[in-house]
Amino acid sequence: AQTVTQSQPEMSVQEAETVTLSCTYDTSENNYYLFWYKQPPSRQMILVIRQEAYKQQNATENRFSVNFQKAAKSFSLKISDSQLGDTAMYFCALRSGGYQKVTFGTGTKLQVIP
Amino acid sequence: DAGVIQSPRHEVTEMGQEVTLRCKPISGHNSLFWYRQTMMRGLELLIYFNNNVPIDDSGMPEDRFSAKMPNASFSTLKIQPSEPRDSAVYFCASSFTGVWTEAFFGQGTRLTVV
Repeated sequence: AQTVTQSQPEMSVQEAETVTLSCTYDTSENNYYLFWYKQPPSRQMILVIRQEAYKQQNATENRFSVNFQKAAKSFSLKISDSQLGDTAMYFCALRSGGYQKVTFGTGTKLQVIP
Repeated sequence: DAGVIQSPRHEVTEMGQEVTLRCKPISGHNSLFWYRQTMMRGLELLIYFNNNVPIDDSGMPEDRFSAKMPNASFSTLKIQPSEPRDSAVYFCASSFTGVWTEAFFGQGTRLTVV
């Protein structure tokens, strides 16, 4: 079985500041991928960033970066220079197993305050 | 490619009626996922298919729910009979198994059972 846990239901950050969203996961597989998705009020699920488990280097996409701690099974998302458009639900997801099942956490609602 | 296409976008139905949600995955993708999103439970995986075969349906809430994938370009999720507690947003997502890509989501169907 694979599980994803997001322990922060809601967070807020001042515009231009930095915020970190937490995610822990569990899987018995050695090969897996981790993702962060963003869901704005439009409801569309948008991929923010991905991390391959075999890569030690943390993934970065512009203002978004991750802190991947494989031994601790932790995968946090850091948003730098927060913008109003970053206001959304953020979901952590794990893809693993022979059929590459994708499991999501319960989400963190992020509010960027002007 | 038009992306994952779901229909209808919105559905309002009376308790006891049959509801059918439809999904057209991205061409070439061989994995398809059905998720249900509610405030209480977040994003739950209901069922997923690989090469049109149901792999894991352990997330299907009860026998009132059924899903089919008759071919690589079409899937349905049926609820019969529907109940008010089935009200949620239902997402379909697809991806390619073999290359560890993310799942691509449709716009979702907002189901309201009154």
